[in-house]
Amino acid sequence: KAGVTQTPRYLIKTRGQQVTLSCSPISGHRSVSWYQQTPGQGLQFLFEYFSETQRNKGNFPGRFSGRQFSNSRSEMNVSTLELGDSALYLCASYYKETQYFGPGTRLLVL
Amino acid sequence: DAKTTQPPSMDCAEGRAANLPCNHSTISGNEYVYWYRQIHSQGPQYIIHGLKNNETNEMASLIITEDRKSSTLILPHATLRDTAVYYCIVRVSITGAGSYQLTFGKGTKLSVIP
Repeated sequence: KAGVTQTPRYLIKTRGQQVTLSCSPISGHRSVSWYQQTPGQGLQFLFEYFSETQRNKGNFPGRFSGRQFSNSRSEMNVSTLELGDSALYLCASYYKETQYFGPGTRLLVL
Repeated sequence: DAKTTQPPSMDCAEGRAANLPCNHSTISGNEYVYWYRQIHSQGPQYIIHGLKNNETNEMASLIITEDRKSSTLILPHATLRDTAVYYCIVRVSITGAGSYQLTFGKGTKLSVIP
């Protein structure tokens, strides 16, 4: 089976812009979670989607949002980008008690 | 979920076994121990998980003490490609439609030395 895929892999934006990241889970996996990784804060949970519904949300501002489609693909959106949003954004799909991570999207905000 | 304590860094000679310890003294009876690793700038890679019995797969072995307060991840023959940050995570097993998230600590940076 193909693994979790994320697009784009790298992205450069400027402050104030918005960005949309995409994640395709492993075939058959219905749960998708998003994480943010920065050198200072480490890996932090953003939110989780299951069957197009957000089931859980981490402690991030409302500028961070997401959605899931009927084919389990997920997108996350960050509006009004700040310099501190520069990070590796990771998506993971979940099956039988195990999360499998994608390669991540590295976002640089200038 | 219970908290875990890991040494910040370890070295291991190439070809030798790497033994990575993890302390989880407040673990509950229904909490699993998971291990992931992250090679620089890549997504975390699942390695292994267990509840109380020792587990082995093609990547590693997981040894959990009888009181479940600590565990050890064993890479039997470390190679340079095993250089990574290794995360030990304890979480409740949720089946069905329960929500799921992982809480990552700082992990152990394993350096495999030629």
